[in-house]
Amino acid sequence: SQTIHQWPATLVQPVGSPLSLECTVEGTSNPNLYWYRQAAGRGLQLLFYSVGIGQISSEVPQNLSASRPQDRQFILSSKKLLLSDSGFYLCAWSWGYGYTFGSGTRLTVV
Amino acid sequence: AQKVTQAQTEISVVEKEDVTLDCVYETRDTTYYLFWYKQPPSGELVFLIRRNSFDEQNEISGRYSWNFQKSTSSFNFTITASQVVDSAVYFCALGNQAGTALIFGKGTTLSVSS
Repeated sequence: SQTIHQWPATLVQPVGSPLSLECTVEGTSNPNLYWYRQAAGRGLQLLFYSVGIGQISSEVPQNLSASRPQDRQFILSSKKLLLSDSGFYLCAWSWGYGYTFGSGTRLTVV
Repeated sequence: AQKVTQAQTEISVVEKEDVTLDCVYETRDTTYYLFWYKQPPSGELVFLIRRNSFDEQNEISGRYSWNFQKSTSSFNFTITASQVVDSAVYFCALGNQAGTALIFGKGTTLSVSS
């Protein structure tokens, strides 16, 4: 069966520090992968999506970047975190018309 | 452009009350998919339902029911006899045929008190 793993679950980072959040999918190949962010009390905002290795589409200009070094691995990064990067980050993958979300990473930038 | 509007930001009900969460969508696609997700306090998104644009039949699953009306571009969600465990944020989302990213509404926070 297909599963999606996302880590870490929580993270507290100082302003200006780097960030790396990882998401991996098991049990499928060539999935579409997505990163969403949910700011406190707000909806889900699409940050990046990928339809294949090395193919990244950015939806919102910001302080973040994404990479897909392997078929089932999707990484969200930042060189220098801002306070406004705080939020709940969700990774997701899709197959056909179904979508599955990871358990999320709660990032607090202090 | 695609858009999902959940006009109700917060709803508070007492246990056993029925509650309807509204969702209005905009799309130019003729084929599209609508979703509802539940987000409990733990944060993960729990899939509730997917409905394609060609199927306007209402659906019932236990205490949950969904009313899809293309004429008004709405996909409303009703919880019958609400329970405290229903307290969560509920998201409506829209996807197109290409299977690209889902577009989410801002969510409705439902609080059910005993």
